[in-house]
Amino acid sequence: NAGVTQTPKFQVLKTGQSMTLQCAQDMNHEYMSWYRQDPGMGLRLIHYSVGAGITDQGEVPNGYNVSRSTTEDFPLRLLSAAPSQTSVYFCASSYAAGADTQYFGPGTRLTVL
Amino acid sequence: GESVGLHLPTLSVQEGDNSIINCAYSNSASDYFIWYKQESGKGPQFIIDIRSNMDKRQGQRVTVLLNKTVKHLSLQIAATQPGDSAVYFCAAPTSGTYKYIFGTGTRLKVLA
Repeated sequence: NAGVTQTPKFQVLKTGQSMTLQCAQDMNHEYMSWYRQDPGMGLRLIHYSVGAGITDQGEVPNGYNVSRSTTEDFPLRLLSAAPSQTSVYFCASSYAAGADTQYFGPGTRLTVL
Repeated sequence: GESVGLHLPTLSVQEGDNSIINCAYSNSASDYFIWYKQESGKGPQFIIDIRSNMDKRQGQRVTVLLNKTVKHLSLQIAATQPGDSAVYFCAAPTSGTYKYIFGTGTRLKVLA
């Protein structure tokens, strides 16, 4: 098992550009989520999905879109990048939603100039 | 809203000593808690979890204690090693949702 994989590892964008952060898992997990991590702060939930075709907003969803067309993939789209979106982004998955262990990917470090 | 927080931003311990990292939570209905370890430049890694029907759970060199009366949990690391140096987070799903909230983390520094 590769676990949770994320691409790219690093990305630099200019303000206003759009891009997609990729996340995939090969554990047949139903629940997937995206977090951002800023210095001195814990992880904050952006969006999550409890299964293919189902997504919902987390704590900080503005400026981000997600879709879940397959169980394996959960891409995060930045529509028009802003400097405030400079952060490290983590994707996570778990077998079930709710009280279950989440497994994290290695992260994508994004800088918006 | 609900919160999960850690008491100390930084904890320094001597190699070989035991470490105790504390976490408080606000919602008495919380029924599941997880501890994660995050090394520099990596994603959080699961250490141990505990459900609210337990007071204590042990793993390899780690023990989690849950005190529901005061809404507090702690992570104890026995015989702390240099490889334990990392940031430790506690996390819990918010009641009635599938959303997790994380504490801000405690950085554990192991002194040789």
